[in-house]
Amino acid sequence: AQTVTQSQPEMSVQEAETVTLSCTYDTSESNYYLFWYKQPPSRQMILVIRQEAYKQQNATENRFSVNFQKAAKSFSLKISDSQLGDTAMYFCAFMKRYNTDKLIFGTGTRLQVFP
Amino acid sequence: AAGVIQSPRHLIKEKRETATLKCYPIPRHDTVYWYQQGPGQDPQFLISFYEKMQSDKGSIPDRFSAQQFSDYHSELNMSSLELGDSALYFCASSLGPRGDTEAFFGQGTRLTVV
Repeated sequence: AQTVTQSQPEMSVQEAETVTLSCTYDTSESNYYLFWYKQPPSRQMILVIRQEAYKQQNATENRFSVNFQKAAKSFSLKISDSQLGDTAMYFCAFMKRYNTDKLIFGTGTRLQVFP
Repeated sequence: AAGVIQSPRHLIKEKRETATLKCYPIPRHDTVYWYQQGPGQDPQFLISFYEKMQSDKGSIPDRFSAQQFSDYHSELNMSSLELGDSALYFCASSLGPRGDTEAFFGQGTRLTVV
């Protein structure tokens, strides 16, 4: 069975600074996807970034980038130039590939961006 | 662009009543997932459908049932409601194994059982 662990229940950062959220996972699969979802106070689940496990290059989406370490089963999210609108709960998630498989979520990290 | 539509957005029911939640996936998406998110918790997978057949089952109580119809919309039926069923219920859709596996989420249905 796959598990996803987020060891930081809460994080805070000042506006314009950089913050890194940690995520580790456990799986015996070789092909899979990893995701970071953002859930603002509206509770909408918004995809921030995704990484295919077979790709060595780290995914980047504007101010969001990941550090994917497959051997270490680590998948951290870096948010650069933090903005007030980044305040939200962030969930790391795992999904097997080549399958209509479910997302397995971590317990989330609540990020607060301060002015 | 069309998104995943869930209805109703809010629902208040009494204990032991029945509730039906509906999900309309993005056009051409053939896979639907249901998740339950309790207060302060991460989303928990309930059940999924691919091409109108159940594809996976998670921690869904026996009091709950779901199906996917010919137009690919899905309904989650919840009977004998309990206070602990109060949660945000998300539906997500994707193209499944034939295409991009990214799952798009609806805005959720907030169910309150009183």
